[in-house]
Amino acid sequence: EIVMTQSPATLSVSPGERATLSCRASQSVSSKLAWYQQKPGQAPRLLIYDASTRATGIPPRFSGSGSGTEFTLTISSLQSEDFALYYCQQFDTWPLTFGGGTKVDIK
Amino acid sequence: QVQLVESGGGVVQPGGSLRLSCAASGFTFSSYGMHWVRQVPGKGLEWVAFIRNDGNTKYYADPVKGRFTISRDNSKNTLYLQMNSLRAEDTAIFYCAKTSGVSWGVFDYWGQGILVTVSS
Repeated sequence: EIVMTQSPATLSVSPGERATLSCRASQSVSSKLAWYQQKPGQAPRLLIYDASTRATGIPPRFSGSGSGTEFTLTISSLQSEDFALYYCQQFDTWPLTFGGGTKVDIK
Repeated sequence: QVQLVESGGGVVQPGGSLRLSCAASGFTFSSYGMHWVRQVPGKGLEWVAFIRNDGNTKYYADPVKGRFTISRDNSKNTLYLQMNSLRAEDTAIFYCAKTSGVSWGVFDYWGQGILVTVSS
């Protein structure tokens, strides 16, 4: 199976600053990569699919980039509601696999 | 609006069985593939199973293959997960998730989750 590795595990950022989250696949997944946000006690929410396409209703401060094995989620100016857990997920090959997550917390 | 509501969770002994249901509304259920994803409380997400919109294609994660069965009833707008031979390591919150119109592998809506606890 394809192993997804996210870094860092925790990212401490001040409100208004930029956050850059990384995701690496153990083999190429082309652009078949999605990002999800999860807040405590809630289900995950789709942010980005196809590596760079924002899902419906997702604000433009969220952007995704990359292809192959290296991917990045950038939050351009962190708002209070953005402090959460973020997961990447590949959908190139079964079984579908998730990264271990990056927690974005307040610096 | 899209709603997915899981039910059927609870506490079960090791070796026991449980059937989860996911009632769907707000979209044409019969047109979309569906998934189950689980999460050990405080840990990461793990994909469990997928079923195509017509029920004719199913995929499973290796840890549940042969023990779990995904199914659906399009006349009832309901997704199921039959879980047999349950183990302590199956303890998790189980989410049903709808595939996006873009790909079978993208989850665009999720239920609120239901807790399954396997313990004696």
